[in-house]
Amino acid sequence: GQNIDQPTEMTATEGAIVQINCTYQTSGFNGLFWYQQHAGEAPTFLSYNVLDGLEEKGRFSSFLSRSKGYSYLLLKELQMKDSASYLCAVRDGDYKLSFGAGTTVTVRA
Amino acid sequence: DGGITQSPKYLFRKEGQNVTLSCEQNLNHDAMYWYRQDPGQGLRLIYYSQIVNDFQKGDIAEGYSVSREKKESFPLTVTSAQKNPTAFYLCASETGGGGADTQYFGPGTRLTVL
Repeated sequence: GQNIDQPTEMTATEGAIVQINCTYQTSGFNGLFWYQQHAGEAPTFLSYNVLDGLEEKGRFSSFLSRSKGYSYLLLKELQMKDSASYLCAVRDGDYKLSFGAGTTVTVRA
Repeated sequence: DGGITQSPKYLFRKEGQNVTLSCEQNLNHDAMYWYRQDPGQGLRLIYYSQIVNDFQKGDIAEGYSVSREKKESFPLTVTSAQKNPTAFYLCASETGGGGADTQYFGPGTRLTVL
């Protein structure tokens, strides 16, 4: 089966930076996604990485190292509205998405 | 507006009853998916369909059934055989091109079996 690990919870202060790590072991690799999910709502797409390196989108950046089976999502200039769960998902060799359990980020004033 | 709709948002059923969750999309996507989400766990794939009139079991298909008679619709039936049906159910769709293809999610249905 697929194995995707990410921390359960993280807390940070408004205006700070938080880095959410994700490690994965999957049968085949066709890209890694990050989604944001507010409580009781649908996940929404944040980023996609398939090649090694950093992808930047405004306050959010995502990094991938395929050789290490590792990714991180970097959230800069944290705002209260960033309090949510962040899901790491890997598209495997069969093109199915496997999700990690999610990291709940709490932003404090 | 294009998107995915799921209804109802909250659903209560008595133990032993079958229940059908609705999922409709007007994004013209070929592929549709059903996931289950439980506290502290990642989304788990129940069933998926890559084309009309065809579907495959995901990782936790036991106790569930689906149909895909129309491109726009992919209803999920939670049967009485599902031992622990109380959960948050999410439907998703994508164009089916694989790789960078992004999955878009509906708002979810929270099912509680009493």
